[in-house]
Amino acid sequence: SQQGEEDPQALSIQEGENATMNCSYKTSINNLQWYRQNSGRGLVHLILIRSNEREKHSGRLRVTLDTSKKSSSLLITASRAADTASYFCATLRDSNYQLIWGAGTKLIIKP
Amino acid sequence: EAEVAQSPRYKITEKSQAVAFWCDPISGHATLYWYRQILGQGPELLVQFQDESVVDDSQLPKDRFSAERLKGVDSTLKIQPAELGDSAMYLCASSSLRSGANVLTFGAGSRLTVL
Repeated sequence: SQQGEEDPQALSIQEGENATMNCSYKTSINNLQWYRQNSGRGLVHLILIRSNEREKHSGRLRVTLDTSKKSSSLLITASRAADTASYFCATLRDSNYQLIWGAGTKLIIKP
Repeated sequence: EAEVAQSPRYKITEKSQAVAFWCDPISGHATLYWYRQILGQGPELLVQFQDESVVDDSQLPKDRFSAERLKGVDSTLKIQPAELGDSAMYLCASSSLRSGANVLTFGAGSRLTVL
């Protein structure tokens, strides 16, 4: 079942701007992962942040995690047209090692 | 780079017909997942295998859906009979729990349209 929530549901920005999307969850987690899905394709893993980490970087991606607020954010800097996709967060539950998925944020980068 | 193979990529069928999807995971990945994704939503887990055993099929509509992974490698998901509401993307993913992180590698998906 989907217990993660992402906002916004959709985001449209100009190329070159930064994009920020948020994820909230409900239970204790082992880690939180972000995936990208291009239209009509499978999901691709982007970045993972463990419950004892607060911030992580990978290229133009920056992820933060606040376990006290049960929330995470994904920042994409200097956006490109190729970043147009849906972005999903998934939390790995500590209790049963299940991945719980959010409904996703649809990001559109305008040239 | 190793990939998860899925076939067919697209399937159009009439309601009440039988449909089957095939998945070949990353070599060495013991855990295999079948997800259903409706347009605009996140993936919904249908079934999870650990080697050849079903770990979780609580969301699998067992009256019409079945899944198997007989030798613990590739897997088949079957729907019989298909209904209009089954139109969706069916995604297969695999992972290795050895790292403890459970990062999934997805296939390209099988898009099902039921007419």
